Amino acid sequence: DTEVTQTPKHLVMGMTNKKSLKCEQHMGHRAMYWYKQKAKKPPELMFVYSYEKLSINESVPSRFSPECPNSSLLNLHLHALQPEDSALYLCASSYGPPPREQFFGPGTRLTVL
Amino acid sequence: AQSVTQLDSQVPVFEEAPVELRCNYSSSVSVYLFWYVQYPNQGLQLLLKYLSGSTLVKGINGFEAEFNKSQTSFHLRKPSVHISDTAEYFCAVSEGASNFGNEKLTFGTGTRLTIIP
Repeated sequence: DTEVTQTPKHLVMGMTNKKSLKCEQHMGHRAMYWYKQKAKKPPELMFVYSYEKLSINESVPSRFSPECPNSSLLNLHLHALQPEDSALYLCASSYGPPPREQFFGPGTRLTVL
Repeated sequence: AQSVTQLDSQVPVFEEAPVELRCNYSSSVSVYLFWYVQYPNQGLQLLLKYLSGSTLVKGINGFEAEFNKSQTSFHLRKPSVHISDTAEYFCAVSEGASNFGNEKLTFGTGTRLTIIP
């Protein structure tokens, strides 16, 4: 299994809703990432988990809350989002001695109304 | 700090013509370089990567890139493009030196390759 899966593919939520994005990989990777990508822009790193511990938080607002329950699973909990948070949210994973390739999932297209 | 510049935001090319997408990087240490492709409404897929050794790197779908340390460049090339190559292409650099698999990737702003029939 050499893929990263993300659910749901599309999500529409109101500003008062609470929702979660899910990412899963079974490649034995020990680092997992969340990126945010706006239209016609490159992905922007949000969070990095290494060995299930948060190692990088790129000053992301607290309305985004990551969670890594185990080495295969990564969640992104969403609460009180703003319309400007609408974007494609990409998950990635990597493992191995330097340098490491990141494998990306297909993304979740989030629309905040 | 590392950075990546993709000067061409859009590149239109006729089908079966050659193409070169330019990428320049800036870093104070040794780097690892990557090209990713993103098809519409999809995630990113790795085309090729430069780790060390031969400066000419071959990737998937007939793409190749050449690492030029003196010019700090890593341009992507394909001798003959197809309609299916229409996509967004991102160059990325990593200064990964940790042993934990969590080095940061810095992406360029992307180049939209459009193939004209």
